[in-house]
Amino acid sequence: DAGVTQSPTHLIKTRGQQVTLRCSPKSGHDTVSWYQQALGQGPQFIFQYYEEEERQRGNFPDRFSGHQFPNYSSELNVNALLLGDSALYLCASSLLFSPQHFGDGTRLSIL
Amino acid sequence: ILNVEQSPQSLHVQEGDSTNFTCSFPSSNFYALHWYRWETAKSPEALFVMTLNGDEKKKGRISATLNTKEGYSYLYIKGSQPEDSATYLCAFRGGSASKIIFGSGTRLSIRP
Repeated sequence: DAGVTQSPTHLIKTRGQQVTLRCSPKSGHDTVSWYQQALGQGPQFIFQYYEEEERQRGNFPDRFSGHQFPNYSSELNVNALLLGDSALYLCASSLLFSPQHFGDGTRLSIL
Repeated sequence: ILNVEQSPQSLHVQEGDSTNFTCSFPSSNFYALHWYRWETAKSPEALFVMTLNGDEKKKGRISATLNTKEGYSYLYIKGSQPEDSATYLCAFRGGSASKIIFGSGTRLSIRP
């Protein structure tokens, strides 16, 4: 039973570019949450998707957007990348309100 | 702004010693508190979900307590082993909201 899988594992972009990160939830899970973890910080909640809709959103600008597909997989899109967007991006899946299972993350570096 | 704080930020413990650390969270509108264990280069692993004031949970040598009235939870590790070295994250969920707020974690290192 595959857990949460994220791709790619590492990514290097330059300022102003756009990026798409992908997440496949654990089998049986219908809810996907995205987190940004900067160095030395705890994960910061970006948003959560359930039934293909954004259900909750953290304090992130509109440059951060997402999508959930009918198979429950999800994408995180970030436009107009800034140096400060360099971080580990974690995806977590769950059944709504249950403990989350995390992926290994995508390390995004902005040059 | 809801704040979840963990202390200490880092901890160095001799193998065999017991240790504990704290998660503080808003005492109003509590729904659940989660503890996660995050080893380097791995995904965070769920340890406990705590929902009731006075809850005590145990998993092997690790246990946790919850006080929702005063807004804190303790994580205890008895007889620390090198494999306990990890960052321990707590996460607060308020009301029925699905948003989780994480603390910055306590980084635990066990000295052999």
